[in-house]
Amino acid sequence: EAGVTQSPTHLIKTRGQQATLRCSPISGHTSVYWYQQALGLGLQFLLWYDEGEERNRGNFPPRFSGRQFPNYSSELNVNALELEDSALYLCASSLATGHGGEKLFFGSGTQLSVL
Amino acid sequence: GQQVMQIPQYQHVQEGEDFTTYCNSSTTLSNIQWYKQRPGGHPVFLIQLVKSGEVKKQKRLTFQFGEAKKNSSLHITATQTTDVGTYFCAVPGAGGYNKLIFGAGTRLAVHP
Repeated sequence: EAGVTQSPTHLIKTRGQQATLRCSPISGHTSVYWYQQALGLGLQFLLWYDEGEERNRGNFPPRFSGRQFPNYSSELNVNALELEDSALYLCASSLATGHGGEKLFFGSGTQLSVL
Repeated sequence: GQQVMQIPQYQHVQEGEDFTTYCNSSTTLSNIQWYKQRPGGHPVFLIQLVKSGEVKKQKRLTFQFGEAKKNSSLHITATQTTDVGTYFCAVPGAGGYNKLIFGAGTRLAVHP
């Protein structure tokens, strides 16, 4: 069974540009989560999508946005990139229950570098 | 919002020594999860604890959930070089649709 897949693996952008990151969840999983992990730091919650809707959002500016498609895959968009957006962006999927007890399966991440 | 404190930030041990990382919450938790992230890798689920005072073992790893369900620990007996990585606890956030909040992690270095 395929795990969570993310693309691209690496992405290099310059300040002010837009980045689009993609994620395909494990088959049968309806929830997709996005986390940001800056170098050497912990995981900061970005967004949670379930059944095509945004269920929760972390403390990030509106230029971080995303969506979930009917096939449950997801896209994270980061507009007006800033240097501090450089980080590993991790996508995770789960079977949604909405009670906070879901086990998350992570993809290998997209390493975004903003120059 | 919900926060969880994880200590220590970093632990350096000799192979064969024991290791423990702790997670503490100011509020009562419905459950707590533990993940491991190898260097250059992604977090991988280890275990979930739900019951007060629960203790679970996975080979050399022992996980405990406090009686008050506000703290948890992960203990590794006789560390090996394969244990190297960062160990994160994760707890449900406050409010509805409980997103998973991760602790800052404990980075374990094991020297042969």
